[in-house]
Amino acid sequence: DAKTTQPTSMDCAEGRAANLPCNHSTISGNEYVYWYRQIHSQGPQYIIHGLKNNETNEMASLIITEDRKSSTLILPHATLRDTAVYYCIVGAGNMLTFGGGTRLMVKP
Amino acid sequence: GAVVSQHPSWVICKSGTSVKIECRSLDFQATTMFWYRQFPKQSLMLMATSNEGSKATYEQGVEKDKFLINHASLTLSTLTVTSAHPEDSSFYICSARDWQGSGNTIYFGEGSWLTVV
Repeated sequence: DAKTTQPTSMDCAEGRAANLPCNHSTISGNEYVYWYRQIHSQGPQYIIHGLKNNETNEMASLIITEDRKSSTLILPHATLRDTAVYYCIVGAGNMLTFGGGTRLMVKP
Repeated sequence: GAVVSQHPSWVICKSGTSVKIECRSLDFQATTMFWYRQFPKQSLMLMATSNEGSKATYEQGVEKDKFLINHASLTLSTLTVTSAHPEDSSFYICSARDWQGSGNTIYFGEGSWLTVV
């Protein structure tokens, strides 16, 4: 599976959009981009995933660049409960390999 | 939506004893499940792949005789930590893919905290 690079940490003001970047320059054609988050002492929570096109669901939006070498997860209106570690993962099979993730701190 | 559930959520056991953790896919069938371990302030590390009806495959450095995995049905995988030691204390998490559900998504269980005293 391709590796990803994410900033170690980010801050965001409550109510503002949180934009979390991810680089995956070695992604192959059949690999999806997945985003999960992990709140302290809980299992990872699925957020969104995509292959080529931008995706949106009730939690977030995923913007994938045309060359697929990077993506951005957008939380449109961050709340304090969105404070978590966000993992960007690329993969094609059942198994997901986790990197360090981005620790997002939403501040009042 | 699809849910993966683990039991117990937390367990304390004495050194030398064995403890079993269950992972269930509640509304879908999973021929393959994955077991991860996470130490404090670290990311998830894959331990093994659980295959329904066949032997599990283990990642390098993971002792198969210590971490016994059984995947006897399409909705249940178990991880047994045998002869537990304090250094086995960790957060254990399983995952499974819902191939048939909308989105073809991989879901994770809530995790199981193991403390060996």
